[in-house]
Amino acid sequence: NAGVTQTPKFRVLKTGQSMTLLCAQDMNHEYMYWYRQDPGMGLRLIHYSVGEGTTAKGEVPDGYNVSRLKKQNFLLGLESAAPSQTSVYFCASSYSSWTYEQYFGPGTRLTVT
Amino acid sequence: RKEVEQDPGPFNVPEGATVAFNCTYSNSASQSFFWYRQDCRKEPKLLMSVYSSGNEDGRFTAQLNRASQYISLLIRDSKLSDSATYLCVAVTGANNLFFGTGTRLTVIP
Repeated sequence: NAGVTQTPKFRVLKTGQSMTLLCAQDMNHEYMYWYRQDPGMGLRLIHYSVGEGTTAKGEVPDGYNVSRLKKQNFLLGLESAAPSQTSVYFCASSYSSWTYEQYFGPGTRLTVT
Repeated sequence: RKEVEQDPGPFNVPEGATVAFNCTYSNSASQSFFWYRQDCRKEPKLLMSVYSSGNEDGRFTAQLNRASQYISLLIRDSKLSDSATYLCVAVTGANNLFFGTGTRLTVIP
């Protein structure tokens, strides 16, 4: 089992460029999450999904879009990157509800110049 | 006011010491609590869930105090390998999950 994987591991974007971060899990988990982690701010929830074909906004959704076309994949898109989106992005999944343990991917380090 | 607050530390303790961290949460309706461990430049990993009656896993003990709205983590007989950042989490329900900013622990030989 690979667990939760994220692609890419690192990326540098120029302001205004777009990109998609891919998260994949092989644990058949229903819930998936995208977080960003910034110094002094902790992990903040961007978007989440409670099952295939569903998505919902988290605490800091502005500037991001997501899709969950397949149960095992959760994509995070940045349509027009801004320097404020420089961060480490973590994807996570959990078996069922919010009360279950979350398994995290290794993270994507994104720099927007 | 932040939903979940932690003392950022750092806590520098010698090997073998006992160290305790607290984490306060603002929403009295929070129902589930966790401690995660995050090593430098790595992803968070679950250390333990926190149950109402308190729970222990080896050298680690977690407690919940609903009256004062805080959870605690006690580490006994600290090891060098315990050096990490410890994140607390409070869950109120759908879309109401909040991580603390983390408490950094360094265990010194």
